[in-house]
Amino acid sequence: GAVVSQHPSRVICKSGTSVKIECRSLDFQATTMFWYRQFPKQSLMLMATSNEGSKATYEQGVEKDKFLINHASLTLSTLTVTSAHPEDSSFYICSARGRATGELFFGEGSRLTVL
Amino acid sequence: KQEVTQIPAALSVPEGENLVLNCSFTDSAIYNLQWFRQDPGKGLTSLLLIQSSQREQTSGRLNASLDKSSGRSTLYIAASQPGDSATYLCAVGQTNAGKSTFGDGTTLTVKP
Repeated sequence: GAVVSQHPSRVICKSGTSVKIECRSLDFQATTMFWYRQFPKQSLMLMATSNEGSKATYEQGVEKDKFLINHASLTLSTLTVTSAHPEDSSFYICSARGRATGELFFGEGSRLTVL
Repeated sequence: KQEVTQIPAALSVPEGENLVLNCSFTDSAIYNLQWFRQDPGKGLTSLLLIQSSQREQTSGRLNASLDKSSGRSTLYIAASQPGDSATYLCAVGQTNAGKSTFGDGTTLTVKP
């Protein structure tokens, strides 16, 4: 099946710094990618829909200035957590939808720890 | 607004047992339904994708069915193994490009 790669898998940073997470579709073009946040033992919370060549669509309650999303090409979307604080510590996952069938493919996830 | 419910929230079975996981949704106008598996600390692995025009899909010991009119899907796992222990999520897609709505998942434990 199609592969979505996410990097880094783990990142630890100091409070106040910014962290960038990359999501790549390795063998297909994705006009739409999705970013989620997951707390321990909870389901996925959709943060935003990333659209190639246009602004991301954020879910209600998600700060767009805090979580910057860029989808500059058909194979790459990035999530930047700006001025990170300990409460931003979480598991962030991306997904991309295949054009032919609409199947969702997920990255491996990125665990962010803000000290 | 689409709502997706998965029952039960947790399930523990002995190895070898056949089992069924349930997923229900409120809006039957769906594009597709997808079942995933998630291991702790990992991303989601796609198990089966059912398009709205299909009734079921099979892959190995897994069989997923879809009944749009009743707003239900089931994931059948035959001859369960300890390696099947994971959280299983279903996701309902309304369009071929838009976001999907996820259930909260069923955490399965298969005891040796």
